[in-house]
Parts: sequence; structure tokens; C-alpha cells
Amino acid sequence: DGGITQSPKYLFRKEGQNVTLSCEQNLNHDAMYWYRQDPGQGLRLIYYSQIVNDFQKGDIAEGYSVSREKKESFPLTVTSAQKNPTAFYLCASSPRAGMSSYEQYFGPGTRLTVT
Amino acid sequence: QQQVKQSPQSLIVQKGGISIINCAYENTAFDYFPWYQQFPGKGPALLIAIRPDVSEKKEGRFTISFNKSAKQFSLHIMDSQPGDSATYFCAASKSAAGNKLTFGGGTRVLVKP
Repeated sequence: DGGITQSPKYLFRKEGQNVTLSCEQNLNHDAMYWYRQDPGQGLRLIYYSQIVNDFQKGDIAEGYSVSREKKESFPLTVTSAQKNPTAFYLCASSPRAGMSSYEQYFGPGTRLTVT
Repeated sequence: QQQVKQSPQSLIVQKGGISIINCAYENTAFDYFPWYQQFPGKGPALLIAIRPDVSEKKEGRFTISFNKSAKQFSLHIMDSQPGDSATYFCAASKSAAGNKLTFGGGTRVLVKP
């Protein structure tokens, strides 16, 4: 059963703690992405990776960090430097080459609440 | 800077009616325009997409119309059904920028039975 998995579905943390969100895909996709979604708003790109061991900042990277040590995994760490971390976090992946490389497939998301 | 503007923010349509959502973009380098459908608590799912060399694309009850000169594109949902009630996002990307998607703000559609 191919797809993108994100865990956990709900996550609660105290202010000042770092937290890592998991994203795994078994679609053999080269590219992976992290988005943040706030209530009633569109998705904003945090980080993306086109290939293993390489990643680039998106539009709102401050307070976040990522790693891409394996093709199938792209974890996101929300650090204590992120001023407003409570949000719905979405991971996506896409093939790298060809026309289909534009299609991004999304995981089910992780809802992070920081108090 | 909001590069993709989406309207309306919400709309209510009767079952069997037509839902129309509009998007406008600023960057002429965009070369791919997808629409995503999202149900509450779920990740978005790709619905339909178009490239600027095509003026219209239809898949079932969903149609994208694209106006390159006006830098606008729209989604039409024909014969709207209660199961179509969801939030719809337009997006745009440019192949020269790693296929990063820029999303519109979303439209919440409610189809009344």
C-alpha cells in the first residue's frame, strides 16, 4: 500500500521544547516538501528537498530545521525559536523527473499544539 | 507578497448547481496550475491541473478554464453534490524553481442538499 505517512496525527508540546514531526513515503519519489497550514488559510512552504542530503528553505523556514538522510524520510523539527508553532503541518512528495514531477502528493498531516 | 489570489473565500451552492472559484496570479513564469481538494483534518488531494498552453481542461464534473493574457484561471464544479463540500485550493509553480507550489488562500464550498 503506497503512500505518505505522517506521525503522530496529534502532537502536544510545552513552549520552549523542540519537537520533530515524522514524514515517510514509499512512492520512490525524489522530492519531498513540508508545508504549514493555519486555520482558514492556504499552505505555506517551509522546506523542500529535491534529492537525498540536499534541501532548501521555503518561504517561512525561520524556526524550523530538516534533514534528508534517506530518500523515503524527511523529518521536520520545530524549534523553540519558532514564535507561533501551533498549526497543521503537511508533508508532500513528488517524482523528480518528467511531466509528472509537478504533481505533489500529500500526507494526512500532523496537528501540533504548543501551550 | 501574495502571488496567487483566490476568491471567493467561501460559497454555498444548491445540489445540482455550479460552483465557480477564481484565481489570479502575478508571476508570468508560472507554468503549472493545479487545484487541490481538502476535507477537514485531511491532507489536500490533487483534483485537476492545467498548463498555460491549454485554455480549458475537463475531468468529469470538474473543469479548469485558463486565461493566460489576464493571468487568471478558474475551477468550475458542474452538478455540485454534497460530497463536493470541501476546501479547494488553487496553486501555481514554475519548473525553474524546483516545482515549489504557491497556494491561494482557499475556498470553502458547501453544497446544500
